[in-house]
Amino acid sequence: NAGVTQTPKFQVLKTGQSMTLQCAQDMNHEYMSWYRQDPGMGLRLIHYSVGAGITDQGEVPNGYNVSRSTTEDFPLRLLSAAPSQTSVYFCASSYSTQGIYGYTFGSGTRLTVV
Amino acid sequence: DAKTTQPNSMESNEEEPVHLPCNHSTISGTDYIHWYRQLPSQGPEYVIHGLTSNVNNRMASLAIAEDRKSSTLILHRATLRDAAVYYCILRDRTSGSRLTFGEGTQLTVNP
Repeated sequence: NAGVTQTPKFQVLKTGQSMTLQCAQDMNHEYMSWYRQDPGMGLRLIHYSVGAGITDQGEVPNGYNVSRSTTEDFPLRLLSAAPSQTSVYFCASSYSTQGIYGYTFGSGTRLTVV
Repeated sequence: DAKTTQPNSMESNEEEPVHLPCNHSTISGTDYIHWYRQLPSQGPEYVIHGLTSNVNNRMASLAIAEDRKSSTLILHRATLRDAAVYYCILRDRTSGSRLTFGEGTQLTVNP
């Protein structure tokens, strides 16, 4: 199994540009989420989804959109990139939101906005 | 979500055991204790989790206090590859629980 696959691994954007970070999982996990990690800090939740067609906001949702049309994919869209969005982005999935299940993380997308 | 408290950093020597503590005095009866680690330039990696009883797997052991207000992640023989940030996180047993990260403990392993 590939697990959680994120693309691209690196990206440089100019301020105001838009882009989509891709996340795909092949484990039939219902729960998927996006985190950002700024240098020297812990992870903060951006958006999450408990199943296809259902999304909700996390701690820091402003400037980002998500959709979940399939179980496998959960793309994160930056509408108009800003330097404050320079960060490493991680996608994570879990079989369920119940606490008995662990999360699987992708390897991350390192985004720089200039 | 209930809060956890971990030391900012710890050091260990290679091939020695490491005990990483976590305090969670406000834990509820339905909270699972999860541990993740993040190696440099990588995504977090699941290590272990438990509810009440001590747990063992190929990566580590989890010792949970009888009152569940604290827990300890035990790496039996630290290697250089174990140098990482270790996060202790509580997740409710019921649906709707999200993974909320704190600052974690930076583990340094000396050769």
